[in-house]
Amino acid sequence: QVRLQESGPGLVKPSQTLSLTCSVSGDSITNGGYYWTWIRQPPGKGLEWIGYTYFGGATFYNPSLESRLTISEDTPKNQFSLRLTSVTAADTAVYYCGREKYWSPYIQDWGQGTPVTVSS
Amino acid sequence: DIQLTQSPSTLSASVGDRVTITCRASDSLSSRLAWYQQKPGKPPKVLIYEASRLETGVSSRFSGSSSGTDFTLTITRLQPDDVATYHCQQYRRTPWTFGQGTKVEIK
Repeated sequence: QVRLQESGPGLVKPSQTLSLTCSVSGDSITNGGYYWTWIRQPPGKGLEWIGYTYFGGATFYNPSLESRLTISEDTPKNQFSLRLTSVTAADTAVYYCGREKYWSPYIQDWGQGTPVTVSS
Repeated sequence: DIQLTQSPSTLSASVGDRVTITCRASDSLSSRLAWYQQKPGKPPKVLIYEASRLETGVSSRFSGSSSGTDFTLTITRLQPDDVATYHCQQYRRTPWTFGQGTKVEIK
């Protein structure tokens, strides 16, 4: 049974960088059968897919965030991370990490989510 | 990007009712659609994938179907525990996108 847990600061100032980590247990992020993904949900709104990492560090990003976004892996720690630069209030959201099957990439497993507020 | 339009936005029904939620896609999805249930303060939980396949462990009261670019989630014998927001998601073409959600309430 895979378990995903997000961690990171809950408050980020405008124009600064948001950094979050997803710790994975019960599976290896080097498992080539899965995408390791980030999703977010602004308060009271719908879900937005951010991007994923797979196959030992390859990535795919939502074009709407691509210019500010980096998703990376730390394989010894079995973690993957999100880094979003130049944040604004529009980046305030609950951020989830998740796991998608490569051959049918719906989000089968989710972390509990971590709320991030962008405010001075 | 593929747009997904869910209807209705809110649905109020009685315990025991059969309820239907629709998700219309702006392009062909070739059945690459999932449905999720999200309760307040919790992450989404997948119910249906590949438009009509029931995720392991999910109640058979939930079912999915499709006709062209229209997809439907049906809940039979609505229970108080089904109060939640339901989201559709397409994974036919990146970026994956979601519908805006349907909130299901009990009358």
